[in-house]
Amino acid sequence: DQQVKQNSPSLSVQEGRISILNCDYTNSMFDYFLWYKKYPAEGPTFLISISSIKDKNEDGRFTVFLNKSAKHLSLHIVPSQPGDSAVYFCAASFSGSARQLTFGSGTQLTVLP
Amino acid sequence: EAGVAQSPRYKIIEKRQSVAFWCNPISGHATLYWYQQILGQGPKLLIQFQNNGVVDDSQLPKDRFSAERLKGVDSTLKIQPAKLEDSAVYLCASSKGGGSGTVSFGPGTRLTVT
Repeated sequence: DQQVKQNSPSLSVQEGRISILNCDYTNSMFDYFLWYKKYPAEGPTFLISISSIKDKNEDGRFTVFLNKSAKHLSLHIVPSQPGDSAVYFCAASFSGSARQLTFGSGTQLTVLP
Repeated sequence: EAGVAQSPRYKIIEKRQSVAFWCNPISGHATLYWYQQILGQGPKLLIQFQNNGVVDDSQLPKDRFSAERLKGVDSTLKIQPAKLEDSAVYLCASSKGGGSGTVSFGPGTRLTVT
C-alpha cells in the first residue's frame, strides 16, 4: 500500500522554463511534507518542506504547494537549470514519528540546455 | 559540519553470505535511521534509533537483518544470510531528534547479491 505516490517517473523540461513535479498521498495523518533531490551515487539531499498548516512555501527558485483537501502537493522550479537534473523524491511524516519519512518512488527530472 | 558517513560504498556478495554496513551520523544527532532503496523505488525505513534505543523496527526482516547503535553514535546493519532480493542501496540518515531538524542522508552502500 503506497501511502505516497509520484505517478510520473520522468519529466523533461527546457532550460529556463518551469518544472512542476507532483505528489499524492493517502494517509490523512501526514502533517509534514518534504522534497529531496538525489544525484547518482549520492544520498538524497533535503530541498524544501511544508507543514500542513501552510499551503505554500518558497525558497529561491523552489516553491512547494500543498492542497490538503486533494491530498496533493507539487514542487515548482522556476527557472529550471541543467544542474537541477536529478531524481526528486516526495516524502511525508506525521507528528510524533520523530521525522520517520515515507517516500514516493521518485521522478527523474531532466533539464535540457 | 561533516555529513553522515557510510562504508563500504559498494559490496558484492553471493546469496547466503553475510554482510555488514557501518554508519557514523552527524555529530550530536540523536536519531539514526536505516533505509533500504530498491532500484526504481523510494527509500523504505528499516529501523529507527533514538540514542542507542530502538524506536521502530517494524519493517526490519528480523529473521535475517539485525542492527545496533553502539553507545548512541555509530551504527551497524547486518544481513545474514543474504537473499537475491536484498540487492539495494542501504541509506543511513540522522536527525537532531525530538521531531525537529532536517533528516540528513549518507551516500549509501550499494549491495549486489548474486
